[in-house]
Amino acid sequence: DTGVSQNPRHKITKRGQNVTFRCDPISEHNRLYWYRQTLGQGPEFLTYFQNEAQLEKSRLLSDRFSAERPKGSFSTLEIQRTEQGDSAMYLCASSLLTTGTSNTFGSGTRLTVV
Amino acid sequence: DQQVKQNSPSLSVQEGRISILNCDYTNSMFDYFLWYKKYPAEGPTFLISISSIKDKNEDGRFTVFLNKSAKHLSLHIVPSQPGDSAVYFCAARLSGTYKYIFGTGTRLKVLA
Repeated sequence: DTGVSQNPRHKITKRGQNVTFRCDPISEHNRLYWYRQTLGQGPEFLTYFQNEAQLEKSRLLSDRFSAERPKGSFSTLEIQRTEQGDSAMYLCASSLLTTGTSNTFGSGTRLTVV
Repeated sequence: DQQVKQNSPSLSVQEGRISILNCDYTNSMFDYFLWYKKYPAEGPTFLISISSIKDKNEDGRFTVFLNKSAKHLSLHIVPSQPGDSAVYFCAARLSGTYKYIFGTGTRLKVLA
């Protein structure tokens, strides 16, 4: 399967702990996005990478959130000092610069903060 | 402030009939619009898109219409099939950015 892979699929953590999620995009895809989705809502843009450069970041992304894509391949999203409001599905998507706007999404990481 | 709105949370259609999903937006700076389909426990899957300079785009059973003056787009599925049952999201890209804003989704149920 050469789709977008996200790990872990599920994460339960205690409030105040740090968590890190990983996204492996489709090989050769140079665009990578992170989104957050809560129940009854659509995906909410968090950040965008073009290769290893983080070109856009939502104002909604507080200082507790950080994302990296060190070699322009996989990406990590870290949440520090988690809060109950961080409970959501975190989605990663990727695409080729040349194919325009049709992103391929992963199945997401569901985070539950207790 | 919801800039992309899908006012119908759900829609039921008989198999073989047309499904029409609607989406309204408020920001005239959107330059690209997309529709995604989402099955449970999976990420959204891209369906079809349209540039703001066009008013129609067709791909097989799926057609997207854009009415810029009304700030409205719609997705037509003809004929509808049971496998089309899913949640459909419309999304819009803010011009000059990489940011996509999604609607809240419409759950389509196609009845056999």
